[in-house]
Amino acid sequence: SQQGEEDPQALSIQEGENATMNCSYKTSINNLQWYRQNSGRGLVHLILIRSNEREKHSGRLRVTLDTSKKSSSLLITASRAADTASYFCAWEIYNFNKFYFGSGTKLNVKP
Amino acid sequence: DTEVTQTPKHLVMGMTNKKSLKCEQHMGHRAMYWYKQKAKKPPELMFVYSYEKLSINESVPSRFSPECPNSSLLNLHLHALQPEDSALYLCASSQEGESATNEKLFFGSGTQLSVL
Repeated sequence: SQQGEEDPQALSIQEGENATMNCSYKTSINNLQWYRQNSGRGLVHLILIRSNEREKHSGRLRVTLDTSKKSSSLLITASRAADTASYFCAWEIYNFNKFYFGSGTKLNVKP
Repeated sequence: DTEVTQTPKHLVMGMTNKKSLKCEQHMGHRAMYWYKQKAKKPPELMFVYSYEKLSINESVPSRFSPECPNSSLLNLHLHALQPEDSALYLCASSQEGESATNEKLFFGSGTQLSVL
């Protein structure tokens, strides 16, 4: 299967709260990335972390990577209603030039 | 220009029709991808072109036929599709980076395909 796992499948929070979503994958990777998708249209890249990095920040986003556990987490701080979307992790398989996606987390931020 | 343009946005076709999906990018990216996404599911990799050559085919049925006429264009030819092929078809591109790794994917907005 191409898929990795993400949890939770769905997350509903109030505006201003933090949102954490987790991703697990199965193979050796070059990097892991997080994407956002609104209303089933195109995905937008959020942040990339390389296999030799453990943590990365970009604005309100913080991503961690644990290659020994083959897992990553995305933290969105001080969430806004506009953050409502589906979030997918994606990993580039080492030496194979392929990107596979996790199962996704649907985030709902209530105003 | 950081856009990937896909046409058409919506397509309805019968099982005996032949149609094509088109994708274009002018970012100089040398890797281009087709993904299929069913509702409430993640994108599934179908094909990868690298430097205009098909490098990856994820065991996709032959009723889907990709084509890369040049470094900016990617087509997906459709023939004798089944209703279960109805999905959002996404095109993406990436700039091959150092050490043969690719950087982020740039996605088009997709073609919503319905097969009747």
